[in-house]
Amino acid sequence: LAKTTQPISMDSYEGQEVNITCSHNNIATNDYITWYQQFPSQGPRFIIQGYKTKVTNEVASLFIPADRKSSTLSLPRVSLSDTAVYYCLVGDIMNTGFQKLVFGTGTRLLVSP
Amino acid sequence: NAGVTQTPKFQVLKTGQSMTLQCAQDMNHEYMSWYRQDPGMGLRLIHYSVGAGITDQGEVPNGYNVSRSTTEDFPLRLLSAAPSQTSVYFCASSKPDRGAGEQYFGPGTRLTVT
Repeated sequence: LAKTTQPISMDSYEGQEVNITCSHNNIATNDYITWYQQFPSQGPRFIIQGYKTKVTNEVASLFIPADRKSSTLSLPRVSLSDTAVYYCLVGDIMNTGFQKLVFGTGTRLLVSP
Repeated sequence: NAGVTQTPKFQVLKTGQSMTLQCAQDMNHEYMSWYRQDPGMGLRLIHYSVGAGITDQGEVPNGYNVSRSTTEDFPLRLLSAAPSQTSVYFCASSKPDRGAGEQYFGPGTRLTVT
C-alpha cells in the first residue's frame, strides 16, 4: 500500500492561505493523488485530484513536485466553513483496485475568526 | 438527482442480531463501496463492487456480506452483530476513473451494537 503521512492537525485564521502537505514516498508510477474533505457527521467529499505538476479548480490547488513523493493541498483564503478533516489518498482504482486506497486519519483543520 | 441514499440513519442492535444496511444511487455509477468509520479514525473499506454481479472484499470484510444485483443498489448485511461493529457506515459510488476518482458518499448510518 502507498502509505501517506499528513499532519494530524493544523490551525489557521479566516482569510489566510492554508497548505496541507502529504508525504507518499513509495508512490507507484500509475498512482494518482486525491484529496477529500469531511465535515463532522457527513461523508467525505472530493476536492481535487492530480498526477503531476499543478492542478487547480474552483476550491483548491494541488501541487505535486517532479519526484511525486509528496503533494500539497492549497486552500486560498479559508473561511470558518473550511474547518474539516482533509484526507490524502494515493492509488489508482482502474489499475490496482479499491483495496490500495487508504483514507488514513487525515489532517484536522481548525479555522478561527 | 438524490445522489447516494442510505437507510436507516440510525440503528441499535443487540449482539447476535442481523440486519441489512441499504444503499442506493441514481447516478448510474458502476462502482460502489462500503466503508466504516470508527470515532476519530479514517474510513476503512469493507466491500466494493465494480459492477452488477461483481463484488470483492476490502480491508475489513469479516462479519459482513454484500451483493450487487442491480447498478443502483448495494446492500450491506451484518450477519451476527458484535459490539466491535459499532461504527458509522458510509456507502459511496463513482464512475470508473483514474486515481481514487470522484466518489460520492451517502450521509451514513450510525450503528450501535449493545
